[in-house]
Amino acid sequence: KAGVTQTPRYLIKTRGQQVTLSCSPISGHRSVSWYQQTPGQGLQFLFEYFSETQRNKGNFPGRFSGRQFSNSRSEMNVSTLELGDSALYLCASSLDTFRGMTEAFFGQGTRLTVV
Amino acid sequence: DQQVKQNSPSLSVQEGRISILNCDYTNSMFDYFLWYKKYPAEGPTFLISISSIKDKNEDGRFTVFLNKSAKHLSLHIVPSQPGDSAVYFCAASAGNYGQNFVFGPGTRLSVLP
Repeated sequence: KAGVTQTPRYLIKTRGQQVTLSCSPISGHRSVSWYQQTPGQGLQFLFEYFSETQRNKGNFPGRFSGRQFSNSRSEMNVSTLELGDSALYLCASSLDTFRGMTEAFFGQGTRLTVV
Repeated sequence: DQQVKQNSPSLSVQEGRISILNCDYTNSMFDYFLWYKKYPAEGPTFLISISSIKDKNEDGRFTVFLNKSAKHLSLHIVPSQPGDSAVYFCAASAGNYGQNFVFGPGTRLSVLP
């Protein structure tokens, strides 16, 4: 069974530009979450999508947005990039069931560098 | 304010011995806890989880203990192996609606041969 796939793996952008990251979840997983990992802040929750709807949102500015498609694939967009947005962006998918929480499976991440 | 804390940034253990990684949380609404392992340049890998209705969960060499009154959980690895050397993250979530995990800062475990 294929794991969570994130593309691209590495990205270099200039301040002020925008960027779109992609995540393909494990087949059958309907929940997709995004996290930002930086050395100073650790892993921070950005948002979660379930059935094409944003279900949870972390404390990030509106420049960070996302969406989910009918096949559960998700994209994350960051507009007006700032140097501080340089980070590893991780996507995680979960098999969401009526019984509640299940573990999340992470992709390898996209390393974004803003110069 | 950090809701999930891992107060030891690093831990070194001899191969074959027990590794104990600790995690404390402040939010009493958290009711589901997980441990993840992360190697450099890879995403976190799920290790083991525990629901607040239990106080122990075991999976092979990995055991997680939960003390709700102390808001403390620990991960025991027995016996420790060099391949266990990685950063370990504790994560917690509140409620059973939505996959929104709060992660601790991580503990770097080094298992020495």
